[in-house]
Amino acid sequence: KQEVTQIPAALSVPEGENLVLNCSFTDSAIYNLQWFRQDPGKGLTSLLLIQSSQREQTSGRLNASLDKSSGRSTLYIAASQPGDSATYLCAVREGAQKLVFGQGTRLTINP
Amino acid sequence: SAVISQKPSRDICQRGTSLTIQCQVDSQVTMMFWYRQQPGQSLTLIATANQGSEATYESGFVIDKFPISRPNLTFSTLTVSNMSPEDSSIYLCSALQRFPLTANYGYTFGSGTRLTVV
Repeated sequence: KQEVTQIPAALSVPEGENLVLNCSFTDSAIYNLQWFRQDPGKGLTSLLLIQSSQREQTSGRLNASLDKSSGRSTLYIAASQPGDSATYLCAVREGAQKLVFGQGTRLTINP
Repeated sequence: SAVISQKPSRDICQRGTSLTIQCQVDSQVTMMFWYRQQPGQSLTLIATANQGSEATYESGFVIDKFPISRPNLTFSTLTVSNMSPEDSSIYLCSALQRFPLTANYGYTFGSGTRLTVV
């Protein structure tokens, strides 16, 4: 059974810092991996999608990497801003169109 | 990518009643899903909404409690029946679709329905 773990559970950093969020999964037979952002009480916004054959994806200040063989992904956020404060969720897609989510990292950027 | 509209955005309901949540996608999608997010928890898949046939439920979820309709490729409803306080959660609709400018398929989510049962 696939299990997805995100570390740390919570992170608080001053504005302007670069930071890394971690995601690990137990079964490397994934189709792809997606990073989402969730604001309190709201739905999910897709940030980046990495296919299993890819190593990384970039969008603006965000960069996500994938090492499928070791079961790890990272989300790098450059020059953090208070508006980046949210919960970040990692999810892996298995072959049957099923997403398995991690517990999330609650990020706070302090002005 | 497709925009998913979900309503109501929130509701407070009496125990024993039922609530139907609507999900509208602005383009045709093959796969639609319903998730539950209990307070402080991550997302759990309730079921896959199949167009023209009965939904496929995950372990621990049954049709009598969470009936789902999918009359066409852009619309689905989830009903939470005979509610109890334990049903207080955020319910999210999701669609699998091709992402713009790529050949890759990923998931898009609605804005969620925050349900409180009293």
